[in-house]
Amino acid sequence: EIVMTQSPATLSMSPGERATLSCRASQFINTNLAWFQQKPGQAPRLLIYGASTRATGIPARFSGSGSGTEFILTISSLQSGDSALYYCQQYNNWPPGDTFGQGTRLEIK
Amino acid sequence: EMQLVESGGGLVQPGRSLRLSCAASGFTFADYAMHWVRQAPGKGLEWVSGITWNSGNTFYADSVKGRFTISRDNAKNSLFLQMNSLRAEDMALYYCVKDRGSYLDGFEVWGQGTMVTVSA
Repeated sequence: EIVMTQSPATLSMSPGERATLSCRASQFINTNLAWFQQKPGQAPRLLIYGASTRATGIPARFSGSGSGTEFILTISSLQSGDSALYYCQQYNNWPPGDTFGQGTRLEIK
Repeated sequence: EMQLVESGGGLVQPGRSLRLSCAASGFTFADYAMHWVRQAPGKGLEWVSGITWNSGNTFYADSVKGRFTISRDNAKNSLFLQMNSLRAEDMALYYCVKDRGSYLDGFEVWGQGTMVTVSA
């Protein structure tokens, strides 16, 4: 079973800064990785799939990179509305087991 | 606009059953795999079950295998989750989720969820 580990658990940044969120898979998953954003009281929203492809309507400030076992979500020019929980999710193996990471909480000061 | 609307949640006693439904619109439902993902209060996301476009394959998390059954009715653009022998640890917000493809290509569009509360 693949385990996804995200770091850091919490990230506190200022508007305009660049945030870097990490996700590590316990096994090789190629580029079968997605990133989701979840704001309080809302459903998750797909940001990135295929490790680096932005979903429809996602601004270019959000970018993903990585392959194999190490992945990065970068959010540039942070805005107050970016405050949220961010989850990575692997879809290389099905059934996926613990397919989601535990999440990174991003706080914009 | 693609939309998923869940229903059927509520308060249920341990050991009892509940059936969740999801009504899909804004896309060709029959072309896509679908999933249920849940989130316990204050916790992270947990994939529960998935079904391919033609119901040819179904998948379950170990935590629900043998108790939950996923199904779909492509003619009615609907997804279902029959939940039997409910436990306290099944209490969560259940999301209906559209896959990006017909088999299992990852999650794309999410509904707003329906809450399942398991309590005596």
